[in-house]
Amino acid sequence: GQNIDQPTEMTATEGAIVQINCTYQTSGFNGLFWYQQHAGEAPTFLSYNVLDGLEEKGRFSSFLSRSKGYSYLLLKELQMKDSASYLCAGMDSNYQLIWGAGTKLIIKP
Amino acid sequence: GAVVSQHPSWVICKSGTSVKIECRSLDFQATTMFWYRQFPKQSLMLMATSNEGSKATYEQGVEKDKFLINHASLTLSTLTVTSAHPEDSSFYICSVRASEPYEQYFGPGTRLTVT
Repeated sequence: GQNIDQPTEMTATEGAIVQINCTYQTSGFNGLFWYQQHAGEAPTFLSYNVLDGLEEKGRFSSFLSRSKGYSYLLLKELQMKDSASYLCAGMDSNYQLIWGAGTKLIIKP
Repeated sequence: GAVVSQHPSWVICKSGTSVKIECRSLDFQATTMFWYRQFPKQSLMLMATSNEGSKATYEQGVEKDKFLINHASLTLSTLTVTSAHPEDSSFYICSVRASEPYEQYFGPGTRLTVT
């Protein structure tokens, strides 16, 4: 079956770095996506990885290892506004997104 | 990325009535749109895939006669919740799928409350 696993909740301190891990099992693989969702709002696209390695985009970076079925989202210089849920989604061979349950990130001052 | 709008942003209706939610792709011609539902503190649940000019593909467990989807043009898809019940109260979100690398862009969502 298809499955996406990520931690339910994480807590970090303002200004620090946090890494949110995601493991995936999909029928075929066409990439790994990360989305940010603030409470009461729709998700917004953060990153896409289809090749192994690290993709950096400002304070956010995303990593993929296809052989391990593993990805992480790295957030640097955390700000209070980064408090949100972070959704990991794998794209299967039919280009359908398989969603994780999301990781709720709590930032403390 | 694509700009997606939804209307209404929130709606309250009485049990037994029907509600129509519109999803528009404002700057992108979307042959495929998706409808999701999200209950509080839960993950996104894909309800159906809406294909322009053809019937929608519903996920297992989603009643196609209750959740009517019409993808009339490349920029508009509608979801009609028929004979709404309080358990249909949820956050309904549509998305459009871009061309490669096929990321999805979401509308702002519609919060439905059935009393």
